Amino acid sequence: GEDVEQSLFLSVREGDSSVINCTYTDSSSTYLYWYKQEPGAGLQLLTYIFSNMDMKQDQRLTVLLNKKDKHLSLRIADTQTGDSAIYFCAESESSSNTGKLIFGQGTTLQVKP
Amino acid sequence: DGGITQSPKYLFRKEGQNVTLSCEQNLNHDAMYWYRQDPGQGLRLIYYSQIVNDFQKGDIAEGYSVSREKKESFPLTVTSAQKNPTAFYLCASSNEGGGEQFFGPGTRLTVL
Repeated sequence: GEDVEQSLFLSVREGDSSVINCTYTDSSSTYLYWYKQEPGAGLQLLTYIFSNMDMKQDQRLTVLLNKKDKHLSLRIADTQTGDSAIYFCAESESSSNTGKLIFGQGTTLQVKP
Repeated sequence: DGGITQSPKYLFRKEGQNVTLSCEQNLNHDAMYWYRQDPGQGLRLIYYSQIVNDFQKGDIAEGYSVSREKKESFPLTVTSAQKNPTAFYLCASSNEGGGEQFFGPGTRLTVL
């Protein structure tokens, strides 16, 4: 079945760029998503990219999609301590028409002052 | 304000008891979802519903039950058959056909 993989932990210095990587298996996914989860809270959608796009930029966030390698990345420019959170990559499940999303394990981003 | 609410935020249960977690949305979404989150793991789908009076099992439905009597509400019951119920439970909703899912703030369930 479909699967989404992420590295579990990333540590950066405040002001540096952060790059969080994700690989997925469903080449027919229509949309790919990045969510942010702060401690003890629900998930908040950060951004998404349509499968026919290579890149999407939204202020400090840049999403890159390599469909050939089934690789998605999220770059956060000028990372701040408030960016410390868990970041989830998710793909839409194309094999059904249920709206289900397949989530990765989440990457914990630690931003050091 | 439109959104999803979950209650309670924290819930404690004794072994052998059933408990029900509430999820309400006023986004007029057709689809609703329940996820379980354990430390170091992603979200695992428990149940989902695409329309009122219909729902399907997700990947880890054993020991859980749901109902969808109203479009706005999708309560989850954690039964005594669930062997390891201590976890963080998240509810989400989306438009018919999928797309972005909007999440509630979550309920942390602890079994004493």
